[in-house]
Amino acid sequence: DAGVTQSPTHLIKTRGQQVTLRCSPISGHKSVSWYQQVLGQGPQFIFQYYEKEERGRGNFPDRFSARQFPNYSSELNVNALLLGDSALYLCASTTSGGGNSPLHFGNGTRLTVT
Amino acid sequence: EDQVTQSPEALRLQEGESSSLNCSYTVSGLRGLFWYRQDPGKGPEFLFTLYSAGEEKEKERLKATLTKKESFLHITAPKPEDSATYLCAVQPIYNFNKFYFGSGTKLNVKP
Repeated sequence: DAGVTQSPTHLIKTRGQQVTLRCSPISGHKSVSWYQQVLGQGPQFIFQYYEKEERGRGNFPDRFSARQFPNYSSELNVNALLLGDSALYLCASTTSGGGNSPLHFGNGTRLTVT
Repeated sequence: EDQVTQSPEALRLQEGESSSLNCSYTVSGLRGLFWYRQDPGKGPEFLFTLYSAGEEKEKERLKATLTKKESFLHITAPKPEDSATYLCAVQPIYNFNKFYFGSGTKLNVKP
């Protein structure tokens, strides 16, 4: 079975640019979450979506936005990139929006902002 | 404020030398505590979920335990392939959409 897939795997952008990251959840999973992981730290929660609706938002500026599509895939958009946005962006899926299911992660998109 | 602290930050063991990793947490109400393994350049890989104090889970050389304030990941007779960063995360009852992660323990097992 395919796990969570993310694209692209690596990305280099310049300050001020915009970026879109993509995620396909495990088949049958309806909830997608996005996390940011800075080198040497644990993942930090950005968003959670379930059935195309935003169910949670972390402490990130409005430059960060996301959406979920009818096939449960998701996109994360970051506008006006800053150097501090350089990180590994992880997508995770679960079977439902509020249960005890663990997060299943993809291998992330490594974003470098120069 | 919900918080997860892991210790030590890094741990170097000889193959076969057992040890424990600690995850201390502060949360208003715990829905679940999760352990993950993360290899360099990869996403976290799910290991265990613990729900209530006194619960234990085992998988090969790993055993996770839970109290009201902390969790331990015991590694028995580790092998070099156990080298990775181990992450702990808590899921609060009141905000179960959000997982709080610790910074992890980087384990290096030497042959």
